[in-house]
Amino acid sequence: GNSVTQMEGPVTLSEEAFLTINCTYTATGYPSLFWYVQYPGEGLQLLLKATKADDKGSNKGFEATYRKETTSFHLEKGSVQVSDSAVYFCALWGQGGATNKLIFGTGTLLAVQP
Amino acid sequence: GAGVSQSPSNKVTEKGKDVELRCDPISGHTALYWYRQRLGQGLEFLIYFQGNSAPDKSGLPSDRFSAERTGESVSTLTIQRTQQEDSAVYLCASTRVSGGNQPQHFGDGTRLSIL
Repeated sequence: GNSVTQMEGPVTLSEEAFLTINCTYTATGYPSLFWYVQYPGEGLQLLLKATKADDKGSNKGFEATYRKETTSFHLEKGSVQVSDSAVYFCALWGQGGATNKLIFGTGTLLAVQP
Repeated sequence: GAGVSQSPSNKVTEKGKDVELRCDPISGHTALYWYRQRLGQGLEFLIYFQGNSAPDKSGLPSDRFSAERTGESVSTLTIQRTQQEDSAVYLCASTRVSGGNQPQHFGDGTRLSIL
């Protein structure tokens, strides 16, 4: 079945460091891919998405490229800020037999230190 | 309302009791989802409602779990004879229409603790 695997945290970085959070997936067909973010004390919210191969989703300085050849959707940001500290979830929306739900990874806690 | 509203925000109950969790989706959103998030784990899909269609219950972990939604309004998730492994944050999300391109709008969740 469909699944998402993302790197375990916590990831601790200094302000202005480069961020990569790895995400790989297993799915049939052409799923849509998402990154959701949960800031401290807040609900989950969509950060960015990509719906077909080679698409790049971007928002708030974050980017992720849908790579079908490597079944990956890694999240990157060139210069993180303290305000980026949050839990980041990679997710996919599949095709075929699993079209009614998002499949989430386990989440990666990012802590950015000043 | 402006966002998805869930109540209660926290619930502590004794093992064996029944609990009912409520979700008010964004007005006009036809699709509604329930997820469970156990400590240190990702979100697990529980159930999906789309308009008046039969719900997708494929994620419900046991027959102690049930959910209802009338039309495009409020949904309730009921857990009967609660067990300690039911302790988790229960999240509700809604989308304007069904489909993978729709961003899911999440509530703040109900934190359920079973003693």
